[in-house]
Amino acid sequence: EAQVTQNPRYLITVTGKKLTVTCSQNMNHEYMSWYRQDPGLGLRQIYYSMNVEVTDKGDVPEGYKVSRKEKRNFPLILESPSPNQTSLYFCASSLGPVGYNEQFFGPGTRLTVL
Amino acid sequence: KQEVTQIPAALSVPEGENLVLNCSFTDSAIYNLQWFRQDPGKGLTSLLLIQSSQREQTSGRLNASLDKSSGRSTLYIAASQPGDSATYLCAVRRARNTGTASKLTFGTGTRLQVTL
Repeated sequence: EAQVTQNPRYLITVTGKKLTVTCSQNMNHEYMSWYRQDPGLGLRQIYYSMNVEVTDKGDVPEGYKVSRKEKRNFPLILESPSPNQTSLYFCASSLGPVGYNEQFFGPGTRLTVL
Repeated sequence: KQEVTQIPAALSVPEGENLVLNCSFTDSAIYNLQWFRQDPGKGLTSLLLIQSSQREQTSGRLNASLDKSSGRSTLYIAASQPGDSATYLCAVRRARNTGTASKLTFGTGTRLQVTL
């Protein structure tokens, strides 16, 4: 089954404790993105990747890092999480550039930073 | 800066009714517009994508229209069913991009509940 998977689905952590949210897709897609969704603000793009070893900032990259060492994986790293990073996070992938092609979304990761 | 607004934020209708969801955007220089559905605890599912040169797209009971000059799009759902209950999001892709990958600007969504 074609899908985007994220782990963990739910995470509660404390300020400053480094964490990684994994994202994997099995569709051989080149483009992958991370979004956060907050009430009243909608989805905002954090980082995106056009291919292996090629990443760029989205609209709200501060406090986040990403890497793309393999085509299928695009982990999101929070080196020192803060409470304002409490949010619902989505990973997405598409065959071509975002907006040209249909994006497939993962199920989401609900992160709470205390 | 592109802003995308969806009104109403929430809508409740009885089963069988036809309904319209609205999406407006401030910058008409868009490449395309997409409608998504989001179910609780799940990610987004793409419903329809309208290119800027198109006026509408249809898929089953769904019809999306686009009036780029006025900055508006509507999603029409015919003969609504309880299974249509979800949050519906629209997103626009800007016509001009910085970098080699384009970005989507999302609205905040309309939460639809179809009651029996």
